[in-house]
Amino acid sequence: DAGVIQSPRHEVTEMGQEVTLRCKPISGHNSLFWYRQTMMRGLELLIYFNNNVPIDDSGMPEDRFSAKMPNASFSTLKIQPSEPRDSAVYFCASSLADTQYFGPGTRLTVL
Amino acid sequence: KQEVTQIPAALSVPEGENLVLNCSFTDSAIYNLQWFRQDPGKGLTSLLLIQSSQREQTSGRLNASLDKSSGRSTLYIAASQPGDSATYLCAVNSGNTPLVFGKGTRLSVIA
Repeated sequence: DAGVIQSPRHEVTEMGQEVTLRCKPISGHNSLFWYRQTMMRGLELLIYFNNNVPIDDSGMPEDRFSAKMPNASFSTLKIQPSEPRDSAVYFCASSLADTQYFGPGTRLTVL
Repeated sequence: KQEVTQIPAALSVPEGENLVLNCSFTDSAIYNLQWFRQDPGKGLTSLLLIQSSQREQTSGRLNASLDKSSGRSTLYIAASQPGDSATYLCAVNSGNTPLVFGKGTRLSVIA
């Protein structure tokens, strides 16, 4: 298996633009997690899905953030409109049991 | 709310030394604890997972221990090598909940 796949790997955009991050989990995994990593706050959970259903989105910072999982093999995290404070590395992870497997992350820079 | 603390934040050691990384968590009602490695600009790689009923796990030169009642875990690295240089993250979860991460220990092993 190729592992968790995220795209794009790097994204530079201007404030106010819409940003869409994509994730393909490991085939057969039933849980998917979106995390954000910054120097100040470390790794924080944004939202997670179980069997494509959002279970806990309490980590989503505000209404500008939204996530979807239309099927078991694909998820998106959208930021609209983006702001400079959204600059961070966004990780997607998937799991079947206890161990979570992380993608390489998307480094987002909002100017 | 679960909080995870890792000490020290950074550590530099000469090659060949044995070292210990520390992790503490505030709520002892955990389901499992994981240690991850993160290389610069990369995603996270799971190193060891300890179930709440276990006391330790070993993989090669790595040994992780868990003292659930005191809310502590240690990661022991034997005979450190320059290739061990990375950030090591500790994370816990409680039942079917996402991981809560510490901010990591940045390890440098000097040849």
